[in-house]
Amino acid sequence: DTEVTQTPKHLVMGMTNKKSLKCEQHMGHRAMYWYKQKAKKPPELMFVYSYEKLSINESVPSRFSPECPNSSLLNLHLHALQPEDSALYLCASTRDYNEQFFGPGTRLTVL
Amino acid sequence: AQSVAQPEDQVNVAEGNPLTVKCTYSVSGNPYLFWYVQYPNRGLQFLLKYITGDNLVKGSYGFEAEFNKSQTSFHLKKPSALVSDSALYFCAVRDLLRGYSTLTFGKGTMLLVSP
Repeated sequence: DTEVTQTPKHLVMGMTNKKSLKCEQHMGHRAMYWYKQKAKKPPELMFVYSYEKLSINESVPSRFSPECPNSSLLNLHLHALQPEDSALYLCASTRDYNEQFFGPGTRLTVL
Repeated sequence: AQSVAQPEDQVNVAEGNPLTVKCTYSVSGNPYLFWYVQYPNRGLQFLLKYITGDNLVKGSYGFEAEFNKSQTSFHLKKPSALVSDSALYFCAVRDLLRGYSTLTFGKGTMLLVSP
């Protein structure tokens, strides 16, 4: 298995909703990342997990809450989002801290 | 901090012609450089990397990149473009953020291959 999977592919939520994004990899990678990407822009780093521990939080608002239940799974819990949070959310993992392998992303729309 | 620059917002090329997408870098120490491609509404796909060794790096889908230390460049190339190569291309460099390995991306270059 050489891929990163993300669910759901699309998500529409209201500003009062609570939802979660899921990312999974079975490549034995010990570092995983969440990115936010706006259209035609580079990905912006949000969080880094290393060995299941949150290592970097790039000043992300608390309405985004990451979780790493085990070495293969990464969640991003969403609550009280704003319309400007609408974006493509990408998950990535790396084996040797060089190239990262990305999932297909979740397209989030906040109404 | 490490950085990469992609000077072109868009590159237009006719199918069958060679293509080049430019990237220059600014790093302290030895650069670890990468190219990714992104098709519409998809994640980033890894194409190739330069860590050390041969300056000409071959990657997926017939792409290659040339590492040039004197010009601090890492341009992506393909001898014969396909319409299906039309996509957004990102150059990236490995960086250390508070001791953890991250990627710093260029702004991206849209490649349009016309039939």
